[in-house]
Amino acid sequence: AQKVTQAQTEISVVEKEDVTLDCVYETRDTTYYLFWYKQPPSGELVFLIRRNSFDEQNEISGRYSWNFQKSTSSFNFTITASQVVDSAVYFCALDPDTGRRALTFGSGTRLQVQP
Amino acid sequence: DAGVTQSPTHLIKTRGQHVTLRCSPISGHKSVSWYQQVLGQGPQFIFQYYEKEERGRGNFPDRFSARQFPNYSSELNVNALLLGDSALYLCASSLAATPGEQYFGPGTRLTVT
Repeated sequence: AQKVTQAQTEISVVEKEDVTLDCVYETRDTTYYLFWYKQPPSGELVFLIRRNSFDEQNEISGRYSWNFQKSTSSFNFTITASQVVDSAVYFCALDPDTGRRALTFGSGTRLQVQP
Repeated sequence: DAGVTQSPTHLIKTRGQHVTLRCSPISGHKSVSWYQQVLGQGPQFIFQYYEKEERGRGNFPDRFSARQFPNYSSELNVNALLLGDSALYLCASSLAATPGEQYFGPGTRLTVT
């Protein structure tokens, strides 16, 4: 069975602060994929990144960066110089690559960026 | 290209009734997955269909069923609605050939009274 834990329920920061969202996962599969999705108030989940279990390189995309550490089963997400538009619920998810596209989501972290 | 579309946007039903939710995937995507998102929680996997066949089912009762049509659109049916079925129902499409990202639709907000 798979499990994704996002221990931070809600984070509030002031604009321009850096913020890190934590994600810890559990799986017995050797091949799996990890994702981050953003859910703004409109409700639609927006894909941010996919990382497979064989690729532990960190990735940076603009103000976003991801740190994947297989040794600690963590896939953390950092937003640098946060903006009000970053306010949303962020979900970490796991796909165990069993042939079906069934994501296991964490409970989400609500990020509020104050102006 | 159009993204994943879902209809209706909102729906209010009474306990015991039946509901049908619809989803059209991104053009070229042959896989459709359904998720239920209860307020304040992460989405929970319900079904995946690929090439009109059920490829996976989550931990949901038999009141939940789905199908996929030759044009790859899909329907999610829920019978004998309970108050606890009130949720945002999300549809996601993907190419499914490889574990790629799933693209989500805007969801259908179902309220059961």
